[in-house]
Amino acid sequence: QAVVTQEPSLTVSPGGTVTLTCGSSTGAVTSGHWPYWFQQKPGQAPRTLIYDTSNKLSWTPARFSGSLLGGKAALTLSGAQPEDEAEYYCLLNYSGARVFGGGTKLTVL
Amino acid sequence: EVQLVESGGGLVQPGESLRLSCAASGFTFSNYWMSWVRQAPGKGLEWVANIKQDGSETYYVDSVKGRFSISRDNAKNSLFLQMTSLRADDTAVYYCLRDYQGYWGQGTLVTVSS
Repeated sequence: QAVVTQEPSLTVSPGGTVTLTCGSSTGAVTSGHWPYWFQQKPGQAPRTLIYDTSNKLSWTPARFSGSLLGGKAALTLSGAQPEDEAEYYCLLNYSGARVFGGGTKLTVL
Repeated sequence: EVQLVESGGGLVQPGESLRLSCAASGFTFSNYWMSWVRQAPGKGLEWVANIKQDGSETYYVDSVKGRFSISRDNAKNSLFLQMTSLRADDTAVYYCLRDYQGYWGQGTLVTVSS
């Protein structure tokens, strides 16, 4: 099965901008991989921020956006807040099966 | 309001079986693909299996093929995961997930230990 890669950790300053990426061992990530992005804080269930590359849910803060960038899926956080410190996971679709990335631990410091 | 409530977790010995359930409400269950996702203690998320709306297609992560079986009962708005030949590395919180738009349950803990 495919391997999905994410940055293990990133740090962003409060108010700053950071981009998390999600790559695939099979080649470029496309909209056909239906990229999803999830946020998980310690002791909590994950919650979905972005689905199908760039679609937001009603609870997704406006400062989060999803896109395809340089052959990868990307999650951009513009104007980081302390409450954005969390683990972020992407999920890609491979003809029915799904694969998560290993997660990115985002520190707001 | 979309709700997914998992149940059936617990402590089992290696080699034993367990059946997880997920009760869905707040949406037309039969219209959506559904998945099971797990998270071992201190580890990342791992997609386990999913099932098409009518149950005609299922997919599994390699590590559970032949041991786990996903199923659903659309009349009862329920999703299931039958787990057999359980191993210590199956220990995890198991989450029910609506594939489209990614609605999550709160999870149920499965512990495999002697």
